[in-house]
Amino acid sequence: DQQVKQNSPSLSVQEGRISILNCDYTNSMFDYFLWYKKYPAEGPTFLISISSIKDKNEDGRFTVFLNKSAKHLSLHIVPSQPGDSAVYFCAANTGNQFYFGTGTSLTVIP
Amino acid sequence: DGGITQSPKYLFRKEGQNVTLSCEQNLNHDAMYWYRQDPGQGLRLIYYSQIVNDFQKGDIAEGYSVSREKKESFPLTVTSAQKNPTAFYLCASRTRIGYTFGSGTRLTVV
Repeated sequence: DQQVKQNSPSLSVQEGRISILNCDYTNSMFDYFLWYKKYPAEGPTFLISISSIKDKNEDGRFTVFLNKSAKHLSLHIVPSQPGDSAVYFCAANTGNQFYFGTGTSLTVIP
Repeated sequence: DGGITQSPKYLFRKEGQNVTLSCEQNLNHDAMYWYRQDPGQGLRLIYYSQIVNDFQKGDIAEGYSVSREKKESFPLTVTSAQKNPTAFYLCASRTRIGYTFGSGTRLTVV
C-alpha cells in the first residue's frame, strides 16, 4: 500500500516559469517531509524539508508547502531552470524510516 | 570527503547466482538502509540497520540478505531466490535531517 503518492509521473515547464510538484500521503502520523532530486544513474540528493509544525519552508528558488488537513505537500520551483530537469521524490517520515513517493520527472524546456 | 560509496556501479549476474553489493560510509552514521528503485515504483525499502549487528526487514526483503558487522559497512546480497532482481539499488545512511544516498548500483540479470 503506497503511503506516499505522486500522481503526476511527469511535468514539463518552460524555463523561467514556476514548476509545481505535488505529493499526497495517507498516514497522519507522518511528521517530517522531504524532497529529493535525482539524476539518472545517481543517488537522490536532499533538496528541502519541512516539519509538520510548519506549513511553509523556503530555500532560494525552492519552497515546500504543507497542508496537513489535506495530507498534501507541494514543491514550488521558481524560476525554473534547465538544470532543474530531474526526477523529484517526496518522502515522509515516522519512526525509523522514510516512505518515498513514486517520483515526478520534471523537464524544464529552454 | 565524507559520503557513501557503492560498488560496483554496474553489475551483471547470471540467473541462479548470488551477488553482493557493497556499501561503505565514512560519515559515522548509525543507521543504514537499502532501497530498490524500479520504474514507476519509487524507492522501496529492502533492509535497514540501526546499529551494528542488528538489522530489520523492510517492505520487500524476500530474496535478499544483509549483514552489519561494522558500522561503516552494510553489504546487500541478492540471492537466487529473488525473482526479479534487475533494478537500481541505493544505499543510504540516516542524517539529522534525512538520508544521504550513495550513487547506486545498477544490477542486471542476464
